[in-house]
Amino acid sequence: NAGVTQTPKFRVLKTGQSMTLLCAQDMNHEYMYWYRQDPGMGLRLIHYSVGEGTTAKGEVPDGYNVSRLKKQNFLLGLESAAPSQTSVYFCASSYVADTQYFGPGTRLTVL
Amino acid sequence: QQQVKQSPQSLIVQKGGISIINCAYENTAFDYFPWYQQFPGKGPALLIAIRPDVSEKKEGRFTISFNKSAKQFSLHIMDSQPGDSATYFCAATLTVTGKLIFGQGTTLQVKP
Repeated sequence: NAGVTQTPKFRVLKTGQSMTLLCAQDMNHEYMYWYRQDPGMGLRLIHYSVGEGTTAKGEVPDGYNVSRLKKQNFLLGLESAAPSQTSVYFCASSYVADTQYFGPGTRLTVL
Repeated sequence: QQQVKQSPQSLIVQKGGISIINCAYENTAFDYFPWYQQFPGKGPALLIAIRPDVSEKKEGRFTISFNKSAKQFSLHIMDSQPGDSATYFCAATLTVTGKLIFGQGTTLQVKP
C-alpha cells in the first residue's frame, strides 16, 4: 500500500496563476483533509471531506477550492495564486475521525 | 474555544534526558488527544494518543499525561535520543466533527 500520496512535490507559481494539487489514498478512508503548514502556525485546516461527493470548509478556506469526485482522491485548487499562499500543503486521510494519515507534502512557492 | 496552545516553541535536551512538551485546550467537549511527530521534509505521523477517560498512557519511552480538570495534557519523552529530534504537534478533536485542532508545534533537538 502506498498510503497517502501527493502530486506534485514542489511547485513554483507566479502571482495570478492557477494550479491543482492532487491527493490520493489507497486505504479506503472516508475522511480526507487538506492542511497548510507555516512556521510557528502549526497545521491549519483548509478544507475537508467526510465522504465521496462531500466537502466542507476548514479554518482557512479563502482562496482555495476542493473536489472529491472519487473516494480515493481529494483535489485542492488555487484559482489565482497569491504570495500569501506560499506554504507547505499536506493532505491527510482517516477511516474514522481520529487517527489521520498524512502524505509527504507539497512545497508551493508563489512569486 | 477551538484553540490548542502548545509550549515551548523549541526545546533542547541532552541525550538521556527527559523532554516535556505541554498543551492546553479550551473546549471541554474534546474527546481525543493525539500527538504527532514530524521529521524534516516529511508529513506528520501519529506518535501516541489518549482519550479523556484515562490520566496517563505510556508507549515505550513516550508518555502522555492528561489533566482533565486543568484542561492540559503533556508529552514526556524519557531517555531522549538524537533520533527523537523532530517537530512535535499536539492536537485535540471532538471526533463527531471530523476535525483535528493542532497546536503550534515544538521543535525538539536532542544533543548527543
